[in-house]
Amino acid sequence: DTEVTQTPKHLVMGMTNKKSLKCEQHMGHRAMYWYKQKAKKPPELMFVYSYEKLSINESVPSRFSPECPNSSLLNLHLHALQPEDSALYLCASSQDSTGGGGNQPQHFGDGTRLSIL
Amino acid sequence: GQSLEQPSEVTAVEGAIVQINCTYQTSGFYGLSWYQQHDGGAPTFLSYNALDGLEETGRFSSFLSRSDSYGYLLLQELQMKDSASYFCAAGGKLIFGQGTELSVKP
Repeated sequence: DTEVTQTPKHLVMGMTNKKSLKCEQHMGHRAMYWYKQKAKKPPELMFVYSYEKLSINESVPSRFSPECPNSSLLNLHLHALQPEDSALYLCASSQDSTGGGGNQPQHFGDGTRLSIL
Repeated sequence: GQSLEQPSEVTAVEGAIVQINCTYQTSGFYGLSWYQQHDGGAPTFLSYNALDGLEETGRFSSFLSRSDSYGYLLLQELQMKDSASYFCAAGGKLIFGQGTELSVKP
């Protein structure tokens, strides 16, 4: 069991669909992250939210749209994805994101395994 | 550029000690982190070294030498459940190494 909860666990969608991934944490953390992970590869940072504001966007295509409705929730809206976007999408949180968040433990959710048909 | 180098795989037997090395080149270095990830699972934070020296947490220890841009994770009294991928990570924005797949044999 992890303290960061992601839903759904699995998602299959067509290239024309719109779907959303959800992430929730109740640890009082003020920084939240989205990562993309391909099989047998390390997680790659996509977005960083600090105090509910987008602070880092790692040149992610606009078909991925993050949203932070409040300090506990993080969404990733998906639209017109490509087959190469199939991956495990991980959400993480940390106390804050001083310097980008690399200087403190990040707590990861179990991820959403996304398949694009 | 930013990069972290670590061995791709390591094999050891139960009860043994294994060391996973990591060399790094990153901007905005704050310290070196280690994460464990079992197949199909979430990365789990293991340790963080901001200063030179050894940090010990139970069977796991982590070492950092900032002057050598080098660190390692030491796993003692290996157990089957330690079979997993281990990532070193660093940088202001967390950058992960490619991961070391550890296989623990009976």
